[in-house]
Amino acid sequence: DAKTTQPNSMESNEEEPVHLPCNHSTISGTDYIHWYRQLPSQGPEYVIHGLTSNVNNRMASLAIAEDRKSSTLILHRATLRDAAVYYCILRDLTGGGNKLTFGTGTQLKVEL
Amino acid sequence: DAGVTQSPTHLIKTRGQQVTLRCSPKSGHDTVSWYQQALGQGPQFIFQYYEEEERQRGNFPDRFSGHQFPNYSSELNVNALLLGDSALYLCASSWGQEYQETQYFGPGTRLLVL
Repeated sequence: DAKTTQPNSMESNEEEPVHLPCNHSTISGTDYIHWYRQLPSQGPEYVIHGLTSNVNNRMASLAIAEDRKSSTLILHRATLRDAAVYYCILRDLTGGGNKLTFGTGTQLKVEL
Repeated sequence: DAGVTQSPTHLIKTRGQQVTLRCSPKSGHDTVSWYQQALGQGPQFIFQYYEEEERQRGNFPDRFSGHQFPNYSSELNVNALLLGDSALYLCASSWGQEYQETQYFGPGTRLLVL
C-alpha cells in the first residue's frame, strides 16, 4: 500500500482556517487521495477525496500538489466540533476490494 | 435513514473465549468491511465481504473469521481470544460496485479481553 505521512498533532483557534498537510511521495497514478476524520468516541467519517484537481465540498477543501506527492486538507473556519483525528488515505484498489489503509493521523485541537 | 449499526456496544471476555460481533449496513449498501482499532492507533483492515463472500483480507490470523448474510448484515467472529485482541472493532459499509464509494462507519464495539 502506498504510504502517507502526517504530523502527529496540530492546533488551531476557533474560526481560523486550518491547513492539514499530508505527504504521499510513492503515490501511483491511479491512487485517489481520501480524507476521513474520527471524532472522539465515534467511528471515522468521510470528509473529501480527489485524484488530481482541487476539490471542494460543504465540509472542506482538498488541495493536491501538481506532482501529487502531497496534499492539504483545508478547513475554512475551524469550530470546536472539528476537533478530531484526521486521516489521509490512499485508496487501494488491488484484489477487487476497496480497503482503507489508515495511518496514525493528525490530532487537531481547536481552542476558543 | 439508519446508518451503520453495531452490536453490542461494549463487551468483556476472558482469554481463550470466543466472541461474535454484529453489523447492519447502511440502507442500500451491499458491502461490509471490518476494522480493528487499538488505543491510540488508526483502524486496521481485517476483511471485507461482498455478495456473501470474503473479497479482501488484511493481515489478521485465521482466528478472525466473518460471515455476510443475504440481507447484507455481517458478523465478525474471533476465536481463542488474546489480551491483544482488546480494541474497538469498527464496521463500515459501502456499495460494492464502485471502488471509490465512500465507506460509512458504525460507532464500533469496544471489546475488552481480561
